[in-house]
Amino acid sequence: DAGVTQSPTHLIKTRGQQVTLRCSPISGHKSVSWYQQVLGQGPQFIFQYYEKEERGRGNFPDRFSARQFPNYSSELNVNALLLGDSALYLCASSLPGGSDRDGYTFGSGTRLTVV
Amino acid sequence: GQSLEQPSEVTAVEGAIVQINCTYQTSGFYGLSWYQQHDGGAPTFLSYNALDGLEETGRFSSFLSRSDSYGYLLLQELQMKDSASYFCAVRDLAGTALIFGKGTTLSVSS
Repeated sequence: DAGVTQSPTHLIKTRGQQVTLRCSPISGHKSVSWYQQVLGQGPQFIFQYYEKEERGRGNFPDRFSARQFPNYSSELNVNALLLGDSALYLCASSLPGGSDRDGYTFGSGTRLTVV
Repeated sequence: GQSLEQPSEVTAVEGAIVQINCTYQTSGFYGLSWYQQHDGGAPTFLSYNALDGLEETGRFSSFLSRSDSYGYLLLQELQMKDSASYFCAVRDLAGTALIFGKGTTLSVSS
């Protein structure tokens, strides 16, 4: 079975541009969460989606948005990029109704560099 | 809000035992999770404690004391491949997000 897949793996953008990151969860997982990880820090929660609905949002500006599609894949969009948006963006999927005992399965992430 | 504290770095030699501590502050508590991450790759789930006591999974064990808001990850028979960052995490109040600590970088030498 394929794990959580994210694309692209690396991306370089210029300040002010917009970016779209993609995530495909594990088959059967209906919940997708997005995290931002700045170098030297732990992952920070951005969004959670379940059954195409936003179930949670972290402390990020409105420049960040996301959506989930009928096949449970998800996109994260970031507008008006800032240098501080440079980070590893991680996607995690989990079983519907899954508990922390099952844990999240993370993808390998998209490394975004804003110049 | 929630916050977690863990040491930034730990060093050890192959074959040794190392303990990574985590203290947390949270208004509501669902349990303490541990994740491993190699060189900015995908974080990998290691263990979860909802109740006080020790949970053992192979060479790794995790302990929780809810009264002390404290937990630790114990790694035994260390191997070079255990060199990685280790994160403790708790659920947010809404139960939708994991809040991670800043991570502990473990370096295992021969």
